[in-house]
Amino acid sequence: EAQVTQNPRYLITVTGKKLTVTCSQNMNHEYMSWYRQDPGLGLRQIYYSMNVEVTDKGDVPEGYKVSRKEKRNFPLILESPSPNQTSLYFCASSLSGQVIYNSPLHFGNGTRLTVT
Amino acid sequence: QQPVQSPQAVILREGEDAVINCSSSKALYSVHWYRQKHGEAPVFLMILLKGGEQKGHEKISASFNEKKQQSSLYLTASQLSYSGTYFCGTKALNNAGNMLTFGGGTRLMVKP
Repeated sequence: EAQVTQNPRYLITVTGKKLTVTCSQNMNHEYMSWYRQDPGLGLRQIYYSMNVEVTDKGDVPEGYKVSRKEKRNFPLILESPSPNQTSLYFCASSLSGQVIYNSPLHFGNGTRLTVT
Repeated sequence: QQPVQSPQAVILREGEDAVINCSSSKALYSVHWYRQKHGEAPVFLMILLKGGEQKGHEKISASFNEKKQQSSLYLTASQLSYSGTYFCGTKALNNAGNMLTFGGGTRLMVKP
């Protein structure tokens, strides 16, 4: 089944304790992205990757890191989480990020992170 | 800058119609529409490209007015299954790699 898989689904941690949220897709998509969702603010892009070893900042990258060493995986790293990073996080992938393709985003099931 | 969606919330009776609007301050290449049910991931509905085309998905259709940088989502004869939050995502003409910038969402509740 074609899907985007995120883990974990729920995570409660304390301020400053490094964590990683994993994301994997099995559709051979070139483009992957991380979003955070907060009430009233919709989905805001954190980082995206056009292809392996190519990553770039989105609208709200502060406090986050990513890597794209393999095509299928795009982990989100919080080196020193803070309470303002408490949010619902979504990973998404698309066939391509290039304008001419206009391919839709496929979302994972989300990770609800609480930082105390 | 995020596109602005209106209304923020709407309550319908089954069978009624609704329109959700999405407005951007940037020149747009395309508009995407997604629906998110409570506790689930957003699901793709349709893409509209500049050129004013209109698309449909079941009894849901949309239009894109590139001169006004606006898109509207039309839900006809709403069903209970239409309940959820609708997001528009816009792709600006000068912003190829950033993919989509999403609006704040419109919560739709359809009651029996």
